[in-house]
Amino acid sequence: AQRVTQPEKLLSVFKGAPVELKCNYSYSGSPELFWYVQYSRQRLQLLLRHISRESIKGFTADLNKGETSFHLKKPFAQEEDSAMYYCALGVYSGAGSYQLTFGKGTKLSVIP
Amino acid sequence: SQTIHQWPATLVQPVGSPLSLECTVEGTSNPNLYWYRQAAGRGLQLLFYSVGIGQISSEVPQNLSASRPQDRQFILSSKKLLLSDSGFYLCAWSFKGKSNQPQHFGDGTRLSIL
Repeated sequence: AQRVTQPEKLLSVFKGAPVELKCNYSYSGSPELFWYVQYSRQRLQLLLRHISRESIKGFTADLNKGETSFHLKKPFAQEEDSAMYYCALGVYSGAGSYQLTFGKGTKLSVIP
Repeated sequence: SQTIHQWPATLVQPVGSPLSLECTVEGTSNPNLYWYRQAAGRGLQLLFYSVGIGQISSEVPQNLSASRPQDRQFILSSKKLLLSDSGFYLCAWSFKGKSNQPQHFGDGTRLSIL
């Protein structure tokens, strides 16, 4: 069975400092990874996905199959980045069902 | 564009009472639909998913059930609520496909059992 691990429950960084939110996965097939973000009083929303290889709000994430990781990075943290971040692994389970397995989340707090 | 509506936003129910949470999607047809429970420090736990009308798959045994009476309507129910059913419940939808299908979430329902 697939598994997603986010080792840090809470990460605090100063404004302007680099940010790295860790995500490791366990899956025997070809992985499809996502990062979701939940800002205070807002709904959970997609931040980025590895297949797009894009930068969203200054965040990037590179899939490293050798280390089975998909860490989320930003060179300079901003106060508005404070939120809950979830890493997710997507798997097609057959019969039209594509499912996401989520990590437990990391709360990022950016200190002014 | 597609939108997802989930209600009520908050609900306080006594132990032993029934439950009905509703979720509807607009702007697309034949979506996959999902019910999650979100708990602090425990992430998102998939409860049920549906690939079509009347088709429900349960991921964990529990006191809850789900139904999909219409293409874009997904309902989470219980006949008798337990204290342990308290939590934050999220509905989500996605397009069908075999790869790279992100899910889109509603605002959630905060359920408190007294």
